[in-house]
Amino acid sequence: EVQLVESGGSLVQPGGSLRLSCAASGFTFSSFYMHWVRQTPGEGLLWVARISADGSGTNYADSVEGRFTISRDNAKNTLYVQLGSLRVEDTAVYYCTREGPTTNWFDTWGQGTLVTVSS
Amino acid sequence: EIVLTQSPATLVLSPGERATLSCRASQSINYYLGWYQQKPGQAPSLLIYDASNRAAGSPARFSGSGSGTDFTLTISSLEPDDFAVYYCQQRYKWPLTFGGGTKVEIK
Repeated sequence: EVQLVESGGSLVQPGGSLRLSCAASGFTFSSFYMHWVRQTPGEGLLWVARISADGSGTNYADSVEGRFTISRDNAKNTLYVQLGSLRVEDTAVYYCTREGPTTNWFDTWGQGTLVTVSS
Repeated sequence: EIVLTQSPATLVLSPGERATLSCRASQSINYYLGWYQQKPGQAPSLLIYDASNRAAGSPARFSGSGSGTDFTLTISSLEPDDFAVYYCQQRYKWPLTFGGGTKVEIK
C-alpha cells in the first residue's frame, strides 16, 4: 500500500524552527518528485515546496523562500522540510504529497501534521 | 501568480441531484487543472487531472471539462459520500496554486 506518514508538528514560538518528516512506503520513493502543501482555515491550501526525485532541484513558494528548506534521504525513504524564522501565519497542517509519475499531479497525500506558531 | 476562483462557495443539494462546480483562472492555463475532494478530518484526494481525466479510483459520476480559463467539475448524481469540499489546482505555472474550495452540503 502506498503510504505517506508525516511527523514532527508541534507548538513553536515565533522566530523558532522545526523539522517535519514524511516517511514513505509502498513505492519506489527515489523515483518520485515530492512536495509539501499546507492548509489553514483562512488561507486554504497553499503549495509550499517541491524537490526532484534525486534531490538536486527544489522550488519554493515566495512566502517561504529563504526560511524553509526541503530535502530528502532516498536511502531512508524520507522527505523533510526544515521550517525556520517561523511566523504566526505559518500555523497550518502540513501535508507531504507525491507527484504522480504519469499524471504529474498530487496523487498521494499523507494525513498531515499540525504546526502551531504562537507565543 | 495565477489566481483560481471557485464558485459557488457552498452548494446545497440533495442526494441524487446533479452538482456543477466552477473554477475560473486569472489567466489561461491550457488544460493544466486538477480537482481534489476533501472530507472532514482527511487529506485531499485527487479526482480529476488535466481538466478531464479521472484519477485512478475516481467514480464515473465525476467528470471534468474546460480549458483556458473556465473549468467545471460535474457530479452526475450525488451519493452520500460525495458531500465534501472540492478544490481546483493549476500546474501551468509556478507557483502551483489552489482555489478557495466549494463545499457541497446535504439539503
